[in-house]
Amino acid sequence: TQLLEQSPQFLSIQEGENLTVYCNSSSVFSSLQWYRQEPGEGPVLLVTVVTGGEVKKLKRLTFQFGDARKDSSLHITAAQTGDTGLYLCAGAMTTDSWGKFQFGAGTQVVVTP
Amino acid sequence: DARVTQTPRHKVTEMGQEVTMRCQPILGHNTVFWYRQTMMQGLELLAYFRNRAPLDDSGMPKDRFSAEMPDATLATLKIQPSEPRDSAVYFCASGPTGGLGRPQHFGDGTRLSIL
Repeated sequence: TQLLEQSPQFLSIQEGENLTVYCNSSSVFSSLQWYRQEPGEGPVLLVTVVTGGEVKKLKRLTFQFGDARKDSSLHITAAQTGDTGLYLCAGAMTTDSWGKFQFGAGTQVVVTP
Repeated sequence: DARVTQTPRHKVTEMGQEVTMRCQPILGHNTVFWYRQTMMQGLELLAYFRNRAPLDDSGMPKDRFSAEMPDATLATLKIQPSEPRDSAVYFCASGPTGGLGRPQHFGDGTRLSIL
């Protein structure tokens, strides 16, 4: 059983459309990170959120951390083919400088021309 | 840009053989993680080190897996003897300490196939 549940598992959309992926848990996290992974490569960090209710924007990507720090969402506006990849969320349950991060299973996003 | 370097990138071997995977963390990073990624289980933390000392290896099968940091520039993950169920992509990541949510920088992984 995954501590972090990501949904949907797979998402296919056309260029220009919007999409949202979700990361949910019954546990509270001290911080949560989103990564994107492309085939044959390691995950690359997109953002870290630490405050309940926090919203961060990275160009066309908007990240939100739930008020209770149990869930998060990633919204992509006007998706491009370069947004294709596996999106992973990772939560830290402790306040140590380096708490253990638990990863979700990921959402595979495919953006077609 | 500084990168985490993992070798080899690919390894195919027969069951029972010893496998050693190596990782060179980013210079100055004092925390190193080993992960395993499979389709079924996703990304699982195997072990992590801070200042070369193992902090947690509870995710690692102790009877056949071992992880070490002989020095600050090298982390190793060994499997002996290897089994087909060990087939996966193994990632090393490094990061600095200090503060919540410090980034983990991942290498490109070692794709391991045990026949």
